Amino acid sequence: GAGVSQSPSNKVTEKGKDVELRCDPISGHTALYWYRQSLGQGLEFLIYFQGNSAPDKSGLPSDRFSAERTGGSVSTLTIQRTQQEDSAVYLCASSSVGGFYEQYFGPGTRLTVT
Amino acid sequence: GENVEQHPSTLSVQEGDSAVIKCTYSDSASNYFPWYKQELGKRPQLIIDIRSNVGEKKDQRIAVTLNKTAKHFSLHITETQPEDSAVYFCAASITGNQFYFGTGTSLTVIP
Repeated sequence: GAGVSQSPSNKVTEKGKDVELRCDPISGHTALYWYRQSLGQGLEFLIYFQGNSAPDKSGLPSDRFSAERTGGSVSTLTIQRTQQEDSAVYLCASSSVGGFYEQYFGPGTRLTVT
Repeated sequence: GENVEQHPSTLSVQEGDSAVIKCTYSDSASNYFPWYKQELGKRPQLIIDIRSNVGEKKDQRIAVTLNKTAKHFSLHITETQPEDSAVYFCAASITGNQFYFGTGTSLTVIP
């Protein structure tokens, strides 16, 4: 079946602009995760959804970051007033029920802020 | 919050030798420890995981050990092959909602 997909695959934006990143999880997966991977760094946890609900948003780096999920499926990560330090690969993952089960990652969106 | 440290950052081994990657965690409440493999240009994939009620888990050439007292866990790869070359990430989680990843180990297996 289809895996996790993300769009766009690459995004170049000017500092100060807003960007929206999209994640389509595996059909039927109730849990969805967003991570940020900077060059040479590990995966930084951003936010987790169970269904449409995000119980804990404390992983978001600043109030410029927000995320939502609708219909228990597609999720969008929005970064307002982008800064150069936001440049990274943003990875989305989904899991069948969340918790201690395998996460399936998408290919990521490479964001470059100039 | 949880802090996961991973060592070494790079590791080169001869084909056929063993490779060991170590991670430490700070929060004693962490109870789930997955390992992900990320090949160049590809997405991370789960290779093995362990829960805190188990001290060791094996899957063919891969094993993970957990020492809850010392708060560290390790990935062991035996009889390494060139296709094992990748970046390996450890992670820790308490609830399965938030995952804290190490900074990765770049493993190179020399033929």
